[in-house]
Amino acid sequence: DIQMTQSPSSLSASVGDRVTITCRASQSVDNYVNWYQQKPGKAPELLIYTTSNLQSGVPSRFSGGGSGTDFTLTISSLQPEDFATYFCHQSDSTPRTFGGGTRLDIK
Amino acid sequence: QIELVQSAPEVKKPGASVNVSCKTSGYTFSYYGISWVRQAPGQGLEWMGWINPFNGDTAYAQEFQGRVTMTTDPSTRSAYMELRGLKSGDTAVYYCARVTLVRGPESFWGQGTLVTVSS
Repeated sequence: DIQMTQSPSSLSASVGDRVTITCRASQSVDNYVNWYQQKPGKAPELLIYTTSNLQSGVPSRFSGGGSGTDFTLTISSLQPEDFATYFCHQSDSTPRTFGGGTRLDIK
Repeated sequence: QIELVQSAPEVKKPGASVNVSCKTSGYTFSYYGISWVRQAPGQGLEWMGWINPFNGDTAYAQEFQGRVTMTTDPSTRSAYMELRGLKSGDTAVYYCARVTLVRGPESFWGQGTLVTVSS
């Protein structure tokens, strides 16, 4: 199984900050990395698919990058509604696997 | 709009089975797969497997092999996940999600169904 190692596991930041979350795959996932946002008591929502493609309706302050085994999610200017938990995910092969999550809260 | 609506919460005893349903609307049912993902309280996301409604093909995570069955009913645009031999460690929110097969993401999710396993 492909392991997705996400860091940091938690992060405190302020409104307006730029933040980056990283995800490392245990083997190449051919850029099939996706990012989800989850708020308490809600289902995950897709933000970014296939490394860098913005899902319809997602604000442009979210962006994704990387290649091979190392990937990033960047939020360019944090908004109050962005404080949530973020998960990376590989869809290159089964079983599909998720990173452990990054909890982003207000400093 | 695309919607996936799941069945109500369940409370089960150890050893029992649970069947969670996922009714879809807003897209052509047979064009996309359905994944099932679970999340234990305060924990991360765990992919359980998926089903292709077009031909019924399934793929299950090794951890659930022999204990899970995923099915669909195209006439009602619904998917089902049965998990047998429940243990306390199966207490979790179970999600269905529409998935673009062949490496696509789980793009739309149901609201989740809490399954509690307790004696």
